[in-house]
Amino acid sequence: KNQVEQSPQSLIILEGKNCTLQCNYTVSPFSNLRWYKQDTGRGPVSLTIMTFSENTKSNGRYTATLDADTKQSSLHITASQLSDSASYICVVSADFGNEKLTFGTGTRLTIIP
Amino acid sequence: DAGVIQSPRHEVTEMGQEVTLRCKPISGHNSLFWYRQTMMRGLELLIYFNNNVPIDDSGMPEDRFSAKMPNASFSTLKIQPSEPRDSAVYFCASRVGYGYTFGSGTRLTVV
Repeated sequence: KNQVEQSPQSLIILEGKNCTLQCNYTVSPFSNLRWYKQDTGRGPVSLTIMTFSENTKSNGRYTATLDADTKQSSLHITASQLSDSASYICVVSADFGNEKLTFGTGTRLTIIP
Repeated sequence: DAGVIQSPRHEVTEMGQEVTLRCKPISGHNSLFWYRQTMMRGLELLIYFNNNVPIDDSGMPEDRFSAKMPNASFSTLKIQPSEPRDSAVYFCASRVGYGYTFGSGTRLTVV
């Protein structure tokens, strides 16, 4: 069964600090891995997307890594800001001819001043 | 570009009533998805359409749920009759290539 597990479930850090969120998956056949940011009351917004051959991808202060051998990904946030408070969702796509997404349940990140 | 537009933003209804959620995808996106999000289960795919044709409805929980896409610019998700366990946030998303865009969702409360 395709699964995506994220850790930690929630995280609280001080503004300006860095943090790393983890994602482990068992999805086959692997197509790509995405990180989404979901603000409260809003829909998810894409941060990064990585295919099998990509190890790292950055989007401003967000840097995602992918290890396709161990089926692990991380999202690193540098110099956190209050606006980074949100849920971060790891999504893995399997390719069955038609793309099928498997969602993690997310990490709830809270930045405190 | 106004993005994916969903209506209503909030819906409160009594058990047994019919509920219709609406979605306008981004122009030019040829795939449309309906998702349900709960605290316990996260985001779950209900159904998706390619070029207005339903491709995979295996996530639709039961016959009380139905979805239509009469044209490229409009889709509906209907629940009839609604039950308290249907309370969730329902998201519509549209896609072109690898890029998904989600709407802001409809928060449904069935009392």
